[in-house]
Amino acid sequence: QQQVKQSPQSLIVQKGGISIINCAYENTAFDYFPWYQQFPGKGPALLIAIRPDVSEKKEGRFTISFNKSAKQFSLHIMDSQPGDSATYFCAASTKAAGNKLTFGGGTRVLVKP
Amino acid sequence: GAGVSQSPSNKVTEKGKDVELRCDPISGHTALYWYRQSLGQGLEFLIYFQGNSAPDKSGLPSDRFSAERTGGSVSTLTIQRTQQEDSAVYLCASSLSGPVGYTFGSGTRLTVV
Repeated sequence: QQQVKQSPQSLIVQKGGISIINCAYENTAFDYFPWYQQFPGKGPALLIAIRPDVSEKKEGRFTISFNKSAKQFSLHIMDSQPGDSATYFCAASTKAAGNKLTFGGGTRVLVKP
Repeated sequence: GAGVSQSPSNKVTEKGKDVELRCDPISGHTALYWYRQSLGQGLEFLIYFQGNSAPDKSGLPSDRFSAERTGGSVSTLTIQRTQQEDSAVYLCASSLSGPVGYTFGSGTRLTVV
């Protein structure tokens, strides 16, 4: 059972554009929603995270929007740069389950100069 | 060390052989997680250690997989009688407490031939 669904699978954006990645979850017990960035040959690195009592969180060019009623959350990358080209994973976890992460399928983002 | 260290970085093994993968977590991190990243299954949870508690083995795909954590620090993931479908990148992550500060290693790429 895929508990976190991520779309699109891949994304091409021009430098300076906005990248938008969407995720939907099923388990209402999830209480932490991080986004990870992964470069080839490296492990995922935490980018930004949100808890369900907040509807939006912004850190620099990265913003998470969270819709609890729709069980959806999204990552917006503003002013996308070639260095942002990577694979992005949304994830969800619950403290009650030991904070083990359930990941979305990933989105490969390519930013063209 | 400054980060989570995994060894070896690459491992090629023959079908039917046993392999051991090692993870050195960040010093002081009490929680340690193993994940598997494969093309067909994405990133999936394998096993979780928290302090001296019994590990959460709910993600292990078969009884050929096992893991231990000695002295609350180093962890070893063992795969017995490897199969071609075990080929994947095995990622280790550690955390001080809760989901915040979850840090991944660069992984071990396992290829079963």
